[in-house]
Amino acid sequence: EAQVTQNPRYLITVTGKKLTVTCSQNMNHEYMSWYRQDPGLGLRQIYYSMNVEVTDKGDVPEGYKVSRKEKRNFPLILESPSPNQTSLYFCASSYSGGAIETQYFGPGTRLLVL
Amino acid sequence: QQPVQSPQAVILREGEDAVINCSSSKALYSVHWYRQKHGEAPIFLMILLKGGEQKGHDKISASFNEKKQQSSLYLTASQLSYSGTYFCGTEERTSGTYKYIFGTGTRLKVLA
Repeated sequence: EAQVTQNPRYLITVTGKKLTVTCSQNMNHEYMSWYRQDPGLGLRQIYYSMNVEVTDKGDVPEGYKVSRKEKRNFPLILESPSPNQTSLYFCASSYSGGAIETQYFGPGTRLLVL
Repeated sequence: QQPVQSPQAVILREGEDAVINCSSSKALYSVHWYRQKHGEAPIFLMILLKGGEQKGHDKISASFNEKKQQSSLYLTASQLSYSGTYFCGTEERTSGTYKYIFGTGTRLKVLA
């Protein structure tokens, strides 16, 4: 079954404790992306990756890191989480043969930073 | 700058029609439409890649006016299952970057 998986689905942590949210897709997609969703602000792109070892900032990259060592995986790293990073996070993937096509989203990760 | 959607929210009775607009201050190379149920992941509805293109399936269709930098989503004879938040989305191509930007969103509620 074609899918994007994220783990964990729910996470409560404390300020400053490093965490990683994993994302994996089984569709051989080139383009992968992380979004955060906050009430009243919609979906905002944090980072994206066009392919292995190619990553770039989205609109809200501050406080986040990513890596793309394998095509299927695109983890999101919060080196020192702060309460303003409490949010709902989505990973997504798509083909990108000249244009970004249909994005398939993971189920989301709800993060609470105390 | 996010594409601006209008209306921000709409309430319909089953069977009524709705139009959701998406307007960008920048050139649109393509427009995607997604629907999101509360607490769930966005689900792809359709993509429009060419200016003037119109697409549809079931009773949901969309148009893309490249010149006006606008797209519209048409929901015909709405069903309860159409309730959710609708987002348009587009690539932002600037100097080799491929950011993706979602619109401001439109909440749609269909009542029985």
